Amino acid sequence: GEDVEQSLFLSVREGDSSVINCTYTDSSSTYLYWYKQEPGAGLQLLTYIFSNMDMKQDQRLTVLLNKKDKHLSLRIADTQTGDSAIYFCAESLANQAGTALIFGKGTTLSVSS
Amino acid sequence: GAVVSQHPSRVICKSGTSVKIECRSLDFQATTMFWYRQFPKQSLMLMATSNEGSKATYEQGVEKDKFLINHASLTLSTLTVTSAHPEDSSFYICSARVSEKLFFGSGTQLSVL
Repeated sequence: GEDVEQSLFLSVREGDSSVINCTYTDSSSTYLYWYKQEPGAGLQLLTYIFSNMDMKQDQRLTVLLNKKDKHLSLRIADTQTGDSAIYFCAESLANQAGTALIFGKGTTLSVSS
Repeated sequence: GAVVSQHPSRVICKSGTSVKIECRSLDFQATTMFWYRQFPKQSLMLMATSNEGSKATYEQGVEKDKFLINHASLTLSTLTVTSAHPEDSSFYICSARVSEKLFFGSGTQLSVL
């Protein structure tokens, strides 16, 4: 079955780069996503990448995709205290009813000043 | 991005009562909406896929008679937790698809006493 794995915690200092890693299992996923969740809030779509791309950059965010190894990473440059949150990696899963997302358990990013 | 409005944000109810959660797409039409459930410090678990004008498709292990989903219009899907019990206490989040992106509501924290 489908499964998305992430490391649970990451702690960095303000100004450093953060790299959050994710592995997924469904090689047919068309898109892969990164979401951010702050306490008690919904999910904010940060970025996503089409499966035939290797890299996507959007301001401080860089997504790298290694499709052969089914490995996805999110790099946050110049990490700020406001980046502290839980980051979820997700792969798309097509079922009979529609295409939903399957999420990892989330990586808690803690940024210290 | 597209806006998905979810209401209420928090609800406390007595055991045995029913609770309705609304999910609205504010600036677009959502043929398909998804309902997720999240336990503290856990990932999001897909509960069901809701298609406008048809019956929802439930994931394995989700009781369709307990979690009633109605998607009567292109901008509104509702989730009713019937005869709620304390074990139904959780964070419920809806999402709607716009092309390849999934946008999420802000979530509903349900506490059943």
